[in-house]
Amino acid sequence: DVKVTQSSRYLVKRTGEKVFLECVQDMDHENMFWYRQDPGLGLRLIYFSYDVKMKEKGDIPEGYSVSREKKERFSLILESASTNQTSMYLCASSFKDLPSYNEQFFGPGTRLTVL
Amino acid sequence: RKEVEQDPGPFNVPEGATVAFNCTYSNSASQSFFWYRQDCRKEPKLLMSVYSSGNEDGRFTAQLNRASQYISLLIRDSKLSDSATYLCVANAGNNRKLIWGLGTSLAVNP
Repeated sequence: DVKVTQSSRYLVKRTGEKVFLECVQDMDHENMFWYRQDPGLGLRLIYFSYDVKMKEKGDIPEGYSVSREKKERFSLILESASTNQTSMYLCASSFKDLPSYNEQFFGPGTRLTVL
Repeated sequence: RKEVEQDPGPFNVPEGATVAFNCTYSNSASQSFFWYRQDCRKEPKLLMSVYSSGNEDGRFTAQLNRASQYISLLIRDSKLSDSATYLCVANAGNNRKLIWGLGTSLAVNP
């Protein structure tokens, strides 16, 4: 079974803190994704990566950065956390070739609260 | 207008009922479509892919109508365990991103 793990299930941070969310997948997937999910807004793509050291902005990249130094690991960084970044953060991965790259496997999510 | 639209529900049905969800998409370049299932406080998981005219997997049938740009999901003989949110997803043409609907909530009651 594909396994995508995220470093924390719940996280509470203060405004202005730097926050690191880690994601690791064990299926040798080329693609990795970071989403946030909010009530009434659904899943929104923050950043994605097709390969090591490669990243592309999603729909809402402002206030976030990412790092992919190894194929299995994709990190999301909140440079200076703000209250409007309180959300559920979901990491996903997939293979790069059709049709598999459309089939994303998700981690359990990190519920981040910024006070 | 959202690129992928779904009726949010909730749909409340008794066990054994047949229930159908519809989803419309606006990007005519979308080639691939999916239904994901998300249980309460859990991550989304792929339920079915819909690549051509549709497909069936046990009690679940997905249909695609390209002319009208909608996808449907039919669940027959509903079980209590089918209670979840069903997310309709379309591939965003050539740029490899997925476009997610907001989901349709289903509650199957005893």
